[in-house]
Amino acid sequence: RKEVEQDPGPFNVPEGATVAFNCTYSNSASQSFFWYRQDCRKEPKLLMSVYSSGNEDGRFTAQLNRASQYISLLIRDSKLSDSATYLCVVNPPTGRRALTFGSGTRLQVQP
Amino acid sequence: GAVVSQHPSRVICKSGTSVKIECRSLDFQATTMFWYRQFPKQSLMLMATSNEGSKATYEQGVEKDKFLINHASLTLSTLTVTSAHPEDSSFYICSANPHRRPNEQYFGPGTRLTVT
Repeated sequence: RKEVEQDPGPFNVPEGATVAFNCTYSNSASQSFFWYRQDCRKEPKLLMSVYSSGNEDGRFTAQLNRASQYISLLIRDSKLSDSATYLCVVNPPTGRRALTFGSGTRLQVQP
Repeated sequence: GAVVSQHPSRVICKSGTSVKIECRSLDFQATTMFWYRQFPKQSLMLMATSNEGSKATYEQGVEKDKFLINHASLTLSTLTVTSAHPEDSSFYICSANPHRRPNEQYFGPGTRLTVT
């Protein structure tokens, strides 16, 4: 089983749509969780951290369910510029602070 | 904000040659830097953890004699791909933890290596 699993997509949605991505992680002792965005041939960029209480940043909402080891990202009112690959990222409890990446979910927002 | 640079951004080399990639933290000190590799349509895979002043820690399956890592200062880590082969062609990305903010991680822009 992969440490971090994501639906690879692609998700093709029209502008203005709401889209949700899911992610599961295998190590129950994982300590911190993130969503990164990666554009084609570019480095990943931090989109937002994910907290147990859930958190929102504009059109983006992240949720964490530690009991189910499940993380989600909701994007409302999709824009063309949201088209990218979204990476679910987990910081395992190894003390080395290296991140474990999911394989990413590709989003294509269409006009 | 914290900035990490990588050089070169793109390199094409012939099979059998060695290529050095530099990763620099421009406005912070990083005791730990990480080297990742990403093949097309795949996720980033950690290759090694680079600690300033000590030997790098390699992930299982990564040959330490082929991927030489040197972290000689708090702002510079280098990855040398020795005797490169076409299967080493990939996107190599480094990241760094600021010394004073160890829970944050910043990525370099990546180096695209093509071995012909």
